[in-house]
Amino acid sequence: QKEVEQDPGPLSVPEGAIVSLNCTYSNSAFQYFMWYRQYSRKGPELLMYTYSSGNKEDGRFTAQVDKSSKYISLFIRDSQPSDSATYLCAMNLNTGNQFYFGTGTSLTVIP
Amino acid sequence: GAVVSQHPSWVICKSGTSVKIECRSLDFQATTMFWYRQFPKQSLMLMATSNEGSKATYEQGVEKDKFLINHASLTLSTLTVTSAHPEDSSFYICSARDAQRGSGEQFFGPGTRLTVL
Repeated sequence: QKEVEQDPGPLSVPEGAIVSLNCTYSNSAFQYFMWYRQYSRKGPELLMYTYSSGNKEDGRFTAQVDKSSKYISLFIRDSQPSDSATYLCAMNLNTGNQFYFGTGTSLTVIP
Repeated sequence: GAVVSQHPSWVICKSGTSVKIECRSLDFQATTMFWYRQFPKQSLMLMATSNEGSKATYEQGVEKDKFLINHASLTLSTLTVTSAHPEDSSFYICSARDAQRGSGEQFFGPGTRLTVL
């Protein structure tokens, strides 16, 4: 079993839709959770960084962590064509440890 | 803040030659940098962890003599692909952790696309 599972998609939505991206994980010791956005042929860009369960909001993006279910989500409101990218979840045990990445979900927002 | 650069952004080389890729943290000090490779439509695969002033830690299956890593300063790590072959063609991405931040975010460079002919 992989440490982090993420549906690779692809996911296509119309402009303005709410997008839900999810990851599950197996190691209950993970404490830090991140979402990265990666455009084609570019390096990943940090979108959200959370510690502990709960919600964190930043503009149109909301990150949600449910440690009891070992499940994290990223919601994108009012999705835009510029949101079309691959979204990677990542997590680690503590600040000194390596990251564990999901495989990434490819998202296309259709104008 | 937290900008990481890579150079070159792309490189084409002949089989058997060596290629050096630089990773720099531009506005912060990075005691730890990471090197990843990524094949098309796949996720990031950690190759090695580079610590300033000490030897890199390589992941299982990654040949340390083929992928030489040097982290000579708090803002620079280099990856040298020695005697490159076509199967080494990939997208190489570095990331850096800000030593001053208590949290553990990694900030990624823009990547280097290597094509070995």
